[in-house]
Amino acid sequence: DVKVTQSSRYLVKRTGEKVFLECVQDMDHENMFWYRQDPGLGLRLIYFSYDVKMKEKGDIPEGYSVSREKKERFSLILESASTNQTSMYLCASSKPETGFWGYTFGSGTRLTVV
Amino acid sequence: ELKVEQNPLFLSMQEGKNYTIYCNYSTTSDRLYWYRQDPGKSLESLFVLLSNGAVKQEGRLMASLDTKARLSTLHITAAVHDLSATYFCAVDGGETSGSRLTFGEGTQLTVNP
Repeated sequence: DVKVTQSSRYLVKRTGEKVFLECVQDMDHENMFWYRQDPGLGLRLIYFSYDVKMKEKGDIPEGYSVSREKKERFSLILESASTNQTSMYLCASSKPETGFWGYTFGSGTRLTVV
Repeated sequence: ELKVEQNPLFLSMQEGKNYTIYCNYSTTSDRLYWYRQDPGKSLESLFVLLSNGAVKQEGRLMASLDTKARLSTLHITAAVHDLSATYFCAVDGGETSGSRLTFGEGTQLTVNP
């Protein structure tokens, strides 16, 4: 019954490393999203994509990039990890019209940058 | 820009009591979603409200939507410890936002014995 899968639950990386967070969905959804969640700040949208090879900046794209080469996979890339990118990262997917289904979230990746 | 505000942000209540969480939003929408998040876990869909006057109930939780007032409520009846979690509302901004959801800050609910 797994629908949105994030490749790692916990990740520890060093400052300056290039980090890849992977998200795969098996629901044939067009839309995919990356959020970060920090205490007191709620969910903040980093990037999203409405189609293969499409990407749009969210509210906090600085320091991040994304890749969507296949419909089912949406990758978040931290070009040079910094300690202020320590956070919980959530991937979500949806149909073009959120409608009855809303978003489906992955289980999250807790990233620590040391 | 669509803004979504929840209150309270923190709620500590005793088992057996009733309480309501409020979700206000700033622009017209008739699609609102409630999610639950347990500590360290991801968001799980609770309710989908798609029209004015919509009411959904699941166990001790009941959600409603008033699109004219731009308000949704999540009512908790006779709370139990298992309901302790963070609850988020999210509003679909419609075509102008590309059908993106805007989330409230979340309400952290603690139910004490």
